[in-house]
Amino acid sequence: EIVLTQSPDFQSVTPKEKVTITCRASQSIGGSLHWYQQKPDQSPKLLIKFASQSISGVPSRFSGSGSGTDFTLTINSLEAEDAATYYCHQTSTLPWTFGQGTKVEI
Amino acid sequence: QLQLQESGPGLVKPSETLSLTCSVSGGSIGSTDHYWGWIRQPPGKGLEWIGSIFYSGSTYYNPSLKNRVTISVDTSKSKNQFSLKLTSVTAADTAVYYCARFSSTWLIDYWGQGTLVAVSS
Repeated sequence: EIVLTQSPDFQSVTPKEKVTITCRASQSIGGSLHWYQQKPDQSPKLLIKFASQSISGVPSRFSGSGSGTDFTLTINSLEAEDAATYYCHQTSTLPWTFGQGTKVEI
Repeated sequence: QLQLQESGPGLVKPSETLSLTCSVSGGSIGSTDHYWGWIRQPPGKGLEWIGSIFYSGSTYYNPSLKNRVTISVDTSKSKNQFSLKLTSVTAADTAVYYCARFSSTWLIDYWGQGTLVAVSS
């Protein structure tokens, strides 16, 4: 199965800071990489699809990039409401897998 | 607006079968553009895809669970549901179980609120 490794595992940041989370795949997955945000006691929410495509209703400060094995989620000008755990997810090859998560603390 | 709601026992004994149902409203299980499935999250841990189903009955399972998992669609006229059965459970199966809708390209666009299932005697 394809293993997704996120870094860092944890990041403590201040409001308005820029946050960068990376996701590395154990083999090439093209652009079939998606990002989710999960706040405490909530279901995950889709933030970015296919590496860089925006989702309606998601603030424009969230953006994604990458292809192949290396991907990045960027949060520009972090807001307090962005405190959450972020997961990457690949849909290139079954079984679908997730990264271990990156917790962002404000 | 599509909504998914999980239901089932919150406590299952070791070696028994975990059974959950996902009720879908605001959309049809019979959609030819979507898959449906289950994802779980042990307390304080990450996400694991369990398996998915197409309305026709085609199923896709995570090999790590394949021998113990069955996902089915309720084809009764009045119901718009799909179900999960996980046999021979152990404490390692304790998790929040989410039902979800998958797009035709397999990204997860809708999630249920999740239900915690504990495995304990």
